[in-house]
Amino acid sequence: KNEVEQSPQNLTAQEGEFITINCSYSVGISALHWLQQHPGGGIVSLFMLSSGKKKHGRLIATINIQEKHSSLHITASHPRDSAVYICAVMWHEETSGSRLTFGEGTQLTVNP
Amino acid sequence: ETGVTQTPRHLVMGMTNKKSLKCEQHLGHNAMYWYKQSAKKPLELMFVYNFKEQTENNSVPSRFSPECPNSSHLFLHLHTLQPEDSALYLCASSQGTGSYGYTFGSGTRLTVV
Repeated sequence: KNEVEQSPQNLTAQEGEFITINCSYSVGISALHWLQQHPGGGIVSLFMLSSGKKKHGRLIATINIQEKHSSLHITASHPRDSAVYICAVMWHEETSGSRLTFGEGTQLTVNP
Repeated sequence: ETGVTQTPRHLVMGMTNKKSLKCEQHLGHNAMYWYKQSAKKPLELMFVYNFKEQTENNSVPSRFSPECPNSSHLFLHLHTLQPEDSALYLCASSQGTGSYGYTFGSGTRLTVV
């Protein structure tokens, strides 16, 4: 079983602040997803990465495979960034093949 | 709109009712999934379909009955549910079950009264 831990569980920031959300996992993976879930429930895939770093607008995702750790950074945060951010890891289980295991999510609130 | 459409968005049903959730994708994906998201819990995989065939049932009670008539459509039939089944039900699709790229729907918020 792959344990996925996210921190912090809740994060409140002021508009403009730099934000970091962390994810760690216990078993080697083939890919890691960062997902965004808005209050309505829909989930949007932000990044999928298996090494290094990816950047999209104000969002940056990094992964360290050796340390089994990933971070999601948001620069110049804005109230519209308020959402739940979920880390999910794709890994291979011997008996059932590819699995996607989710973290509990980080609730981010950005105040104006 | 992500390319995966779920209907209805909200559903309130009594414990004796029968209802169905629908998921549709026209992304050309071959694998489709049902996930359950209860409050303050990670997403839990319920069912996996690959090329219309069910490849995984994650010990889901029989009051949830999935149906996949083709690679583009996935249903979740509900009957005699319990209040603890109230949750957000999310559908997702991917090119194959080993694919890295998942696309999620907006979910159906189900309340069982």
